[in-house]
Amino acid sequence: KQEVTQIPAALSVPEGENLVLNCSFTDSAIYNLQWFRQDPGKGLTSLLLIQSSQREQTSGRLNASLDKSSGRSTLYIAASQPGDSATYLCAVLRMYSGGGADGLTFGKGTHLIIQP
Amino acid sequence: NAGVTQTPKFRILKIGQSMTLQCTQDMNHNYMYWYRQDPGMGLKLIYYSVGAGITDKGEVPNGYNVSRSTTEDFPLRLELAAPSQTSVYFCASSYSGGMEPRNTQYFGPGTRLTVL
Repeated sequence: KQEVTQIPAALSVPEGENLVLNCSFTDSAIYNLQWFRQDPGKGLTSLLLIQSSQREQTSGRLNASLDKSSGRSTLYIAASQPGDSATYLCAVLRMYSGGGADGLTFGKGTHLIIQP
Repeated sequence: NAGVTQTPKFRILKIGQSMTLQCTQDMNHNYMYWYRQDPGMGLKLIYYSVGAGITDKGEVPNGYNVSRSTTEDFPLRLELAAPSQTSVYFCASSYSGGMEPRNTQYFGPGTRLTVL
């Protein structure tokens, strides 16, 4: 069974700092990994998707890396801003042995607070 | 495009009542999903569909039913509501040209359900 763990569970840093959020997964047979942002009481917004054949993806101040063999991904946020405060969720799409897939398996998230 | 829309936003049910959570997407996506999110937890897959007329169970399907008669709509039915079904329900969709749903999943804003 695929399990996804995110560390730390919560993080509070001053504005302007660079930070790293960590995600690990137990089964390396995945199609892709997605990072999402969730604001309180809201839905999920996709930030980055990394296919299993890729090593990293970048969008603006965000950079996500994937090491499939070790079951790890990191989300790097540069020059953090108070507007980055949210919960960040990591999710993987597991590959069935016969091909195909169902839905995403999610971690519990990292609750991030950026202090002004 | 409206993306993925869900109704209602909030609902309170009494134990034993039934209801249908509505989900519609206007992106012509073939894959659709239902997830639930309990406080402090990651999302868990309830049901998913790879196209009209095709549905399958996810990790936590008990107490729920789905149907997919059109590409756009994927309603989730709760029969005999129980307090354990108190949660936030998210619908999502994605597109795939092959058998694996490798592309980004887009999420609706969620339905917050309380069963008393």
